[in-house]
Amino acid sequence: QQQVKQSPQSLIVQKGGISIINCAYENTAFDYFPWYQQFPGKGPALLIAIRPDVSEKKEGRFTISFNKSAKQFSLHIMDSQPGDSATYFCAASRQAGTALIFGKGTTLSVSS
Amino acid sequence: KAGVTQTPRYLIKTRGQQVTLSCSPISGHRSVSWYQQTPGQGLQFLFEYFSETQRNKGNFPGRFSGRQFSNSRSEMNVSTLELGDSALYLCASSLASDGYEQYFGPGTRLTVT
Repeated sequence: QQQVKQSPQSLIVQKGGISIINCAYENTAFDYFPWYQQFPGKGPALLIAIRPDVSEKKEGRFTISFNKSAKQFSLHIMDSQPGDSATYFCAASRQAGTALIFGKGTTLSVSS
Repeated sequence: KAGVTQTPRYLIKTRGQQVTLSCSPISGHRSVSWYQQTPGQGLQFLFEYFSETQRNKGNFPGRFSGRQFSNSRSEMNVSTLELGDSALYLCASSLASDGYEQYFGPGTRLTVT
């Protein structure tokens, strides 16, 4: 049973455009939702995270939008750059010390 | 501040052998989690340790085990290796006892032949 569903699987965006990646979760006990960025040959790097008590969090060009009632959250990358080309993973966790449940990942390519 | 370090970075083993992977967390971090990453299954949780105690375990067979030392360093062991164990094994550490913000190391690429 896949508890976190991520879409799209791949995404091509023009330089300067907005990249949008969506995730949906099933378990209402989840209370922490991070996004990770992974480059080939590297481990995932924590990008930004949100708790369900807020609907939006912004850090630089990266924004998480969170819809608790719909059990969905999304990552928006504004002014996408070629250096943003990577695989992005959404994840969810339900309490301290438990597993991060990851989506399947989205491969983003930003064309110059 | 140094990040999470994992050794070795690459490993080739034969079916039936066993392997031990090592992880040194970020200084001051006491929670260490292990994940397996494969193209087919994605990132899957193996287990998590805090203060030398395993707090949570994922859905993996008993061939996968781990431990944490008093300095928070952790090791994971896989016995009787199978071809399907070929994967990138990632270690993540967390500062807080709640383990929410997890920072990953570069991983150990294990190939089983």
